[in-house]
Amino acid sequence: GAGVSQSPSNKVTEKGKDVELRCDPISGHTALYWYRQSLGQGLEFLIYFQGNSAPDKSGLPSDRFSAERTGGSVSTLTIQRTQQEDSAVYLCASSLVLYTDTQYFGPGTRLTVL
Amino acid sequence: GENVEQHPSTLSVQEGDSAVIKCTYSDSASNYFPWYKQELGKGPQLIIDIRSNVGEKKDQRIAVTLNKTAKHFSLHITETQPEDSAVYFCAASIGGTASKLTFGTGTRLQVTL
Repeated sequence: GAGVSQSPSNKVTEKGKDVELRCDPISGHTALYWYRQSLGQGLEFLIYFQGNSAPDKSGLPSDRFSAERTGGSVSTLTIQRTQQEDSAVYLCASSLVLYTDTQYFGPGTRLTVL
Repeated sequence: GENVEQHPSTLSVQEGDSAVIKCTYSDSASNYFPWYKQELGKGPQLIIDIRSNVGEKKDQRIAVTLNKTAKHFSLHITETQPEDSAVYFCAASIGGTASKLTFGTGTRLQVTL
């Protein structure tokens, strides 16, 4: 079946602009996760959703970052007033249920802030 | 919070040899330890995972071992092939749930002919 999809695959923006990244999880998966991967680095956890609720937002790097999920499906990660240090690959994953379940990753969105 | 350390950062082996990647974690409450393989330009893909109630798990050429006392776990790949070349990440769950995985910094494995 279809896996996790993300769009756009690449995004180049100018410093100070806002960007929206989209994630379509696997159908029926209730949990959704956002990670950030800087060049040559590991994965940095940002936020997770159980249904439409995000119980813990402490992983978001700053208040310029926000995320929402509607209808228990699609999620968007918004970065306002982008900075060059926001440049990274943003990965989305989903799992069937929240606890002790396999996370399936999308291909990521490569964000470049000029 | 949870801290996961991964070694080595790069590993080069000849085709047919074995490769071992090691990770340590800090949170004794962690009970879920997946390993992911990431090929260039793609998202990480789960290759094997282990939960704290077992010490070893094997799937064909891939095995993972877990030592809860020492808080470390390892990935073993036998009979390596060129297609095994990728970046491998270990991860550990925080506070006993799999919802917040902490990842290691990755190991770039190169299998040479």
